[in-house]
Amino acid sequence: AQSVTQLGSHVSVSEGALVLLRCNYSSSVPPYLFWYVQYPNQGLQLLLKYTSAATLVKGINGFEAEFKKSETSFHLTKPSAHMSDAAEYFCAGNTGNQFYFGTGTSLTVIP
Amino acid sequence: GAGVSQSPRYKVTKRGQDVALRCDPISGHVSLYWYRQALGQGPEFLTYFNYEAQQDKSGLPNDRFSAERPEGSISTLTIQRTEQRDSAMYRCASSLGVPGGKESYEQYFGPGTRLTVT
Repeated sequence: AQSVTQLGSHVSVSEGALVLLRCNYSSSVPPYLFWYVQYPNQGLQLLLKYTSAATLVKGINGFEAEFKKSETSFHLTKPSAHMSDAAEYFCAGNTGNQFYFGTGTSLTVIP
Repeated sequence: GAGVSQSPRYKVTKRGQDVALRCDPISGHVSLYWYRQALGQGPEFLTYFNYEAQQDKSGLPNDRFSAERPEGSISTLTIQRTEQRDSAMYRCASSLGVPGGKESYEQYFGPGTRLTVT
């Protein structure tokens, strides 16, 4: 079965430091891939999506992700963390009519 | 425009009672999805609709769970004879297009319904 795996359920970074959240997919056919962010008591909000048009995808709030087929990865990065980035982040995949989510990574930003 | 809405936002029910959770998708969105999210976990797929047709219900845990979308817009997820293990956040999402094609349409999520079964 297709799946995505997020490495690290909790990540802490200092304000201004690089953010790196890891996601690997398991699929013989590269899926469409997404990153969502969830703030407390809110729904999931799409950050960015990969649909094979470009391997480097830029999203909202300064986030970007790079699709690497050789590594089956789709890691999320942001050059400089802001306090407002503290949230739960989910990697998700879509293959055919199947949608699947990772278990999430909680990002803490230390002032 | 309005996003996906869900009601109620919070539901506390006693074990054995039936509950109905409502989802109002974004107007014009073809596909509608239901997920269950346990604390500390990602959303777990339950079922989805294209228009009024339930295309996949493979994620429904058992026959106590059912969903409908009779007019291709609002959807209801019903849980009969609730059990404590049903306690979770239930999320609804909608998307503009039909999955499985050349393009993947992002899903827009509602705020969820927090169900607590006592």
